[in-house]
Amino acid sequence: DTEVTQTPKHLVMGMTNKKSLKCEQHMGHRAMYWYKQKAKKPPELMFVYSYEKLSINESVPSRFSPECPNSSLLNLHLHALQPEDSALYLCASSHGPGGPGEDTQYFGPGTRLTVL
Amino acid sequence: QQQVKQSPQSLIVQKGGISIINCAYENTAFDYFPWYQQFPGKGPALLIAIRPDVSEKKEGRFTISFNKSAKQFSLHIMDSQPGDSATYFCAARNGRAGNMLTFGGGTRLMVKP
Repeated sequence: DTEVTQTPKHLVMGMTNKKSLKCEQHMGHRAMYWYKQKAKKPPELMFVYSYEKLSINESVPSRFSPECPNSSLLNLHLHALQPEDSALYLCASSHGPGGPGEDTQYFGPGTRLTVL
Repeated sequence: QQQVKQSPQSLIVQKGGISIINCAYENTAFDYFPWYQQFPGKGPALLIAIRPDVSEKKEGRFTISFNKSAKQFSLHIMDSQPGDSATYFCAARNGRAGNMLTFGGGTRLMVKP
């Protein structure tokens, strides 16, 4: 099973709202990722958690706040977003460096976020 | 700086034809090259992947050809079907930088019936 689940599928929020995106995997992966994808563009890496610790933050604005409550869950807290933040937000997971086999990333279906 | 260059940006192929997508890279730290297929409104799905010590890998109708000396690799879709119509991304993993992926710009494939 290579399934990564994300909720909600769609989210519409105003610029003053606070919302959260959720991601879950039960593959025993120890690395989890948040990507942002604009239309007709490749995914852009935002954050990486490795063994539940934030290992990479690709200079993402503080209005995006990641959280990794445990090895299976990853959240992305959103606050005071701008309309240009509207995009497909993708979660991915992998075994992580040092894990078995190739460290292949598996993506979830994404959350389509619209900021009004 | 785009480290993985993908071409063409879009491709139209007749049903039953061969679709070919090319990627080129510069960074010799890249050590694993996956291809992802993405349908509209969905997340990228791993299609096939190759390591640079292998020149070719085939899975069903999908084949990766890899030229290490030229730093180029390509995806061939044989007997292309309308259901293959999607966006394809090549990627390269940097084993010296936490296994981070660098994506190509993507190719939108349309297979006409």
